[in-house]
Amino acid sequence: NAGVTQTPKFRILKIGQSMTLQCAQDMNHNYMYWYRQDPGMGLKLIYYSVGAGITDKGEVPNGYNVSRSTTEDFPLRLELAAPSQTSVYFCASSYYGGPDTQYFGPGTRLTVL
Amino acid sequence: GQQVMQIPQYQHVQEGEDFTTYCNSSTTLSNIQWYKQRPGGHPVFLIQLVKSGEVKKQKRLTFQFGEAKKNSSLHITATQTTDVGTYFCAAPSGGSYIPTFGRGTSLIVHP
Repeated sequence: NAGVTQTPKFRILKIGQSMTLQCAQDMNHNYMYWYRQDPGMGLKLIYYSVGAGITDKGEVPNGYNVSRSTTEDFPLRLELAAPSQTSVYFCASSYYGGPDTQYFGPGTRLTVL
Repeated sequence: GQQVMQIPQYQHVQEGEDFTTYCNSSTTLSNIQWYKQRPGGHPVFLIQLVKSGEVKKQKRLTFQFGEAKKNSSLHITATQTTDVGTYFCAAPSGGSYIPTFGRGTSLIVHP
């Protein structure tokens, strides 16, 4: 099992550009999550999905969009990138929601200049 | 909404000293999880606590869940340089079953 994979590892964007962060898991997990991590601020939930075709907003969804067309994939779309979106983005998955282990991908470090 | 407050934010210790980080909530938690993130790495699940007063051990790590299920702690005995990293607690927040992460405690171990 590859677990949770994320691409790219690093990316620099100019203000106003758009991009998609890719996330895939091969553990047949129902739940998938996107977090952003800013220094000293812990992990903030952006969006999550409880299964294919079902997504919901987390704590900080503004400026982002997601889709979940398959169980395996959960891409995160940034439209009109802003410097405030400079962060490290982690994708995670779990079989159940709530009290279940979340498995994290290696992260994408995004800089918006 | 409900948040888990984690203290301290940073802790410097000499190798061999003990370390403790605390998570506190103003409301009762159904469960709490602990994760470790090495520098430059991603969070890795350590343990989950569910029962009031629960104590679990993993080698030199001891995890406790308070009797009122409003606080939790992670204690490391005789720290080693391999313990360096940020330790996060996570618990369901404000009626949602999705865990909210604390801000983490960064442990720095000086050899």
